[in-house]
Amino acid sequence: GAVVSQHPSRVICKSGTSVKIECRSLDFQATTMFWYRQFPKQSLMLMATSNEGSKATYEQGVEKDKFLINHASLTLSTLTVTSAHPEDSSFYICSARRDLNYNEQFFGPGTRLTVL
Amino acid sequence: KNEVEQSPQNLTAQEGEFITINCSYSVGISALHWLQQHPGGGIVSLFMLSSGKKKHGRLIATINIQEKHSSLHITASHPRDSAVYICAVRPLLVSSGSARQLTFGSGTQLTVLP
Repeated sequence: GAVVSQHPSRVICKSGTSVKIECRSLDFQATTMFWYRQFPKQSLMLMATSNEGSKATYEQGVEKDKFLINHASLTLSTLTVTSAHPEDSSFYICSARRDLNYNEQFFGPGTRLTVL
Repeated sequence: KNEVEQSPQNLTAQEGEFITINCSYSVGISALHWLQQHPGGGIVSLFMLSSGKKKHGRLIATINIQEKHSSLHITASHPRDSAVYICAVRPLLVSSGSARQLTFGSGTQLTVLP
């Protein structure tokens, strides 16, 4: 199946710093990418949907100024956690689809963020 | 509101046992996914179903659209099957502001003992 990569896989940062997470679709062009957050023992929660070349659509309760999403190309989306706080510590997962009418969705391996 | 319920929440089995994980949902869907998440966190897509049955190795997934129910079966289970199994559905209808996002179940933690 198609491959989605994320980088870094783990990051530890100090409170107040910004962290950028990259998501790449390696062997297909992803019109749509999704960013999820997962807290321990909980299921994935959608944070935002990003379409290449346009602004991301954020889910209710997700601060767009805190979680900056850029989908600059059909193979790359980035999530930047700005001014990170300990409560932002979580597992962040990206996912990609070829287009909105294509049901299959591929998941990245996730990024474990720890904010000290 | 689209709800996805999985059962059981936790399942412990002996190696070699036949395992069934169930998923029920409340709205019409265009596709149902079964995902596997290992302790490291990475998610692997096992199946995508819109009808009938699919088989891959020791894994079998079935779906009954009329009953809004799907099952994931593992035959001859092995300790390496230990993981969280997640059911996710894509609704048919688009609500305002929605882009037919996946709705996830809470997952089933499977532990297979040697």
